[in-house]
Amino acid sequence: EAAVTQSPRNKVTVTGGNVTLSCRQTNSHNYMYWYRQDTGHGLRLIHYSYGAGNLQIGDVPDGYKATRTTQEDFFLLLELASPSQTSLYFCASSGLGGSQNTLYFGAGTRLSVL
Amino acid sequence: GQQVKQSSPSLTVQEGGISILNCDYENDMFDYFAWYKKYPDNSPTLLISVRSNVDKREDGRLTVFLNKSGKHFSLHITASQPEDTAVYLCAEANTGKLTFGHGTILRVHP
Repeated sequence: EAAVTQSPRNKVTVTGGNVTLSCRQTNSHNYMYWYRQDTGHGLRLIHYSYGAGNLQIGDVPDGYKATRTTQEDFFLLLELASPSQTSLYFCASSGLGGSQNTLYFGAGTRLSVL
Repeated sequence: GQQVKQSSPSLTVQEGGISILNCDYENDMFDYFAWYKKYPDNSPTLLISVRSNVDKREDGRLTVFLNKSGKHFSLHITASQPEDTAVYLCAEANTGKLTFGHGTILRVHP
């Protein structure tokens, strides 16, 4: 079973605050993803990466930066947090080839921006 | 526009009945189709998936149907059970980027 660990599990910040969400996977997966989940919107892709140093823009990237420092670690950065970014954030990873599209999700980080 | 659409936000089924969850898509280039299941406060997990060269796939109580001409993808759950109560998310992909629908809440009543 793939292991994807997110930290922190919960975070509260104020408008304009600086937040970093962390994700680590220990299964040598090449692909990593950041999604946000909101009522009425399902899961929306923010950023994703094919490997260390690579970054791809997702469907809702505005207000977010991301960095893939190693194959294992993928960070989501909110440099000027806004209340609209209050959400449940999921990190996921997947392998190559036929297994590329099977996503393994972390437990989620609940972020509140006051 | 929304590339992957689940038109029913919720569905209620009696225990033992058949649950039918539907998904419509726009992108002809999608070549991978999947259903994920999510319990409240848990992360999504893969239920079942198919490639675009397959019209139907069965796995126990689960059957997926892919209608490429109609751009429609469905999940049938037979002998529905209360523990099937969850949010079901359809997802489609091309070149590794998975796009999810908004989800359908399935409630199975005893």
